[in-house]
Amino acid sequence: DAGVTQSPTHLIKTRGQQVTLRCSPKSGHDTVSWYQQALGQGPQFIFQYYEEEERQRGNFPDRFSGHQYPNYSSELNVNALLLGDSALYLCASSSWGGLLIGELFFGEGSRLTVL
Amino acid sequence: QKEVEQDPGPLSVPEGAIVSLNCTYSNSAFQYFMWYRQYSRKGPELLMYTYSSGNKEDGRFTAQVDKSSKYISLFIRDSQPSDSATYLCAMSDDDYKLSFGAGTTVTVRA
Repeated sequence: DAGVTQSPTHLIKTRGQQVTLRCSPKSGHDTVSWYQQALGQGPQFIFQYYEEEERQRGNFPDRFSGHQYPNYSSELNVNALLLGDSALYLCASSSWGGLLIGELFFGEGSRLTVL
Repeated sequence: QKEVEQDPGPLSVPEGAIVSLNCTYSNSAFQYFMWYRQYSRKGPELLMYTYSSGNKEDGRFTAQVDKSSKYISLFIRDSQPSDSATYLCAMSDDDYKLSFGAGTTVTVRA
């Protein structure tokens, strides 16, 4: 059973560019959350998708947007990249309400470097 | 003030020692508490999950939650070199969004 898969694993962009990161949730999961983890910091919640809608959003600017597809996979898009966007971007999947029993699984992450 | 405070360490202990990790928090609405382990350049892996106050034990790991003090702990008994990692505390209220600590880096020396 595949866990949470993310792509690409590493990528390098320059300031002002746009990036798209992808996530396939664990089999049986329908909810996807995205987190940003800067070096030496804990993950910060970006947003959560369920039934193809953004359900929760953290304190991130509108440059960060997302999408969820009918097969539950998800994308994170970041426009007008800044140096400060360099981080590990983590996708986490669960069943809706699964956090109530601690069922939240993370992928390996996509490491973005902005030059 | 951050919502979740965690001493980043680093913490270095000899093999077989007890590792003690803790976090404090300010949001009294938190009721779900977790500890994740993260190896270098990997995603976090769930170790322990606790709902509300109390203790939970799983093998060599014990998690404690004291909501009255807004303080949570993780103890690792008989530590092994394979336990060397960064340990993240995380917590949530009802809206499924996790708030993480900064993580404590632990090294277990053989």
